[in-house]
Amino acid sequence: DTAVSQTPKYLVTQMGNDKSIKCEQNLGHDTMYWYKQDSKKFLKIMFSYNNKELIINETVPNRFSPKSPDKAHLNLHINSLELGDSAVYFCASSLTRQGHEQYFGPGTRLTVT
Amino acid sequence: AQSVTQLDSQVPVFEEAPVELRCNYSSSVSVYLFWYVQYPNQGLQLLLKYLSGSTLVKGINGFEAEFNKSQTSFHLRKPSVHISDTAEYFCALQSNTGGFKTIFGAGTRLFVKA
Repeated sequence: DTAVSQTPKYLVTQMGNDKSIKCEQNLGHDTMYWYKQDSKKFLKIMFSYNNKELIINETVPNRFSPKSPDKAHLNLHINSLELGDSAVYFCASSLTRQGHEQYFGPGTRLTVT
Repeated sequence: AQSVTQLDSQVPVFEEAPVELRCNYSSSVSVYLFWYVQYPNQGLQLLLKYLSGSTLVKGINGFEAEFNKSQTSFHLRKPSVHISDTAEYFCALQSNTGGFKTIFGAGTRLFVKA
């Protein structure tokens, strides 16, 4: 069974479009995260939710909007996509908000043309 | 501000040789330290963590790391590597301040040659 799953795995779209990435965890964890990994493999946190409550909100353009309908799901919606949004987006989860052991999904490679 | 510096972007090594991947951190408060591994086209997986107690921590796949507070380092070591250890390795830190945000280093690519 996949612990943290993301869909889609690949996403190719044009500038200006709106797209969503979905994430689900079946580990019973309380906390979920979105990370962005750029072309140089640098990994940076974007958002974190604990029991559907936003607890970390980094300096991210407001075109990015996370939504957590329940603690097992955290989706990422991106409006007006730009070339610079091209990256691999990882969802992760942890048992508690301390996040001492995070479980990562396989990633979604977003390419904006 | 807190930061993590991985001193080598790439480390080539022959199979069965020992390896050390270096990590230094900067923080004005106490930290928790981690090493994650990322195999090609996969998400990250936790190798080991230092939260408190013994400064030598052992992880999965035969890796270990030593926390050195005076040198603000957390180097990762393995006495004998395998081809399958080829991957990207990330050092990371957290602190009680800042909402337990995890800050990652830039990564070190370990390339194991036959």
